[in-house]
Amino acid sequence: DQQVKQNSPSLSVQEGRISILNCDYTNSMFDYFLWYKKYPAEGPTFLISISSIKDKNEDGRFTVFLNKSAKHLSLHIVPSQPGDSAVYFCAASDQTGANNLFFGTGTRLTVIP
Amino acid sequence: EAGVAQSPRYKIIEKRQSVAFWCNPISGHATLYWYQQILGQGPKLLIQFQNNGVVDDSQLPKDRFSAERLKGVDSTLKIQPAKLEDSAVYLCASSLVLGESTGELFFGEGSRLTVL
Repeated sequence: DQQVKQNSPSLSVQEGRISILNCDYTNSMFDYFLWYKKYPAEGPTFLISISSIKDKNEDGRFTVFLNKSAKHLSLHIVPSQPGDSAVYFCAASDQTGANNLFFGTGTRLTVIP
Repeated sequence: EAGVAQSPRYKIIEKRQSVAFWCNPISGHATLYWYQQILGQGPKLLIQFQNNGVVDDSQLPKDRFSAERLKGVDSTLKIQPAKLEDSAVYLCASSLVLGESTGELFFGEGSRLTVL
């Protein structure tokens, strides 16, 4: 049972434009959400996170939006750069103390120069 | 600061053989995780340690998988006997403290297993 879903396996965007990656979740107990970025042959690296008490968090070119009522979050990258080309994983945690992360299946972003 | 170290990077074995993966977490990180990532899927937690104790192993197929973290530092994950469906990347991750939930896990590069 996939509790975190990324329905777009791939996305292509022109350099300089906005990239929007989407994520949906089913477990209403999730209250902390993260995005990880993964390059080939490397482990995932943390990108940005958001707590359920917020609806937006910004870090430079990256912004994550959370819509709790829709159980939906999105990652915006503006402006997109070729170095952003990677697989992006959405992850969620219920912070019950186990600190386990449930990952989506990933979206491969390609930024075209 | 050194990252999470894993070895071997690649391993090819035949079904029913055994394999072991090793992980050295970031120094000072009390919590260690093993994730399995099958091609086309997101990472799935197999087991989580706090120091040398198991916090969560509910998703570990205990009939064939085992893991230990002696002395609360390095960890090994063993598969015996391997099945075709065990072909995956095995990711080790660590974090500072259980419950210090920035949720930020630091991942190693992974060990890619191919079972023929």
